Amino acid sequence: GESVGLHLPTLSVQEGDNSIINCAYSNSASDYFIWYKQESGKGPQFIIDIRSNMDKRQGQRVTVLLNKTVKHLSLQIAATQPGDSAVYFCAEKAPRQNFVFGPGTRLSVLP
Amino acid sequence: NAGVTQTPKFQVLKTGQSMTLQCAQDMNHEYMSWYRQDPGMGLRLIHYSVGAGITDQGEVPNGYNVSRSTTEDFPLRLLSAAPSQTSVYFCASSYNGDSYEQYFGPGTRLTVT
Repeated sequence: GESVGLHLPTLSVQEGDNSIINCAYSNSASDYFIWYKQESGKGPQFIIDIRSNMDKRQGQRVTVLLNKTVKHLSLQIAATQPGDSAVYFCAEKAPRQNFVFGPGTRLSVLP
Repeated sequence: NAGVTQTPKFQVLKTGQSMTLQCAQDMNHEYMSWYRQDPGMGLRLIHYSVGAGITDQGEVPNGYNVSRSTTEDFPLRLLSAAPSQTSVYFCASSYNGDSYEQYFGPGTRLTVT
């Protein structure tokens, strides 16, 4: 498997519980944010995005919350399943700048 | 659509050797980029391209070259491999560079001994 994520913070949750993964971003000019899921040995997979004119966006079993005041982003996963086990990371983007990626959090779902 | 494809999946090089990592996309995306991913760190941008014939440097470009002769292909060349280039490399593409989701390839794990 990948060596990526050996030193990442880990969140362990019970199957069926809700998960909350947090991300602090750095650039107050960032106006677009993405959450990615990365399973072992695979490339990052888009989960959900949000623009800075929104505070909340919902997808299927996932919700992203954006707090621009404290530059904080969170990903909520409802009814966490074993297939949700992966590394999750956020990305921020400011206009005319490239994406900046966080280091990620490893989510471990306990049976 | 195959999406973003990368070859090879694994590669071992000796210090000083050169090689090219291949990346292709079939989504007619204008924007393509190369990242490296190291343990405990976020993806770091090496080079990117906003369209055929246009390339630019990212955060960590030293030791790497790119070209973009077609919309579909964006190869990454390691000129003289060094152990510090041991990493997992991801290619990504998006409709354009500004505020659109990026689609990632499966990655190439490179080890330089």
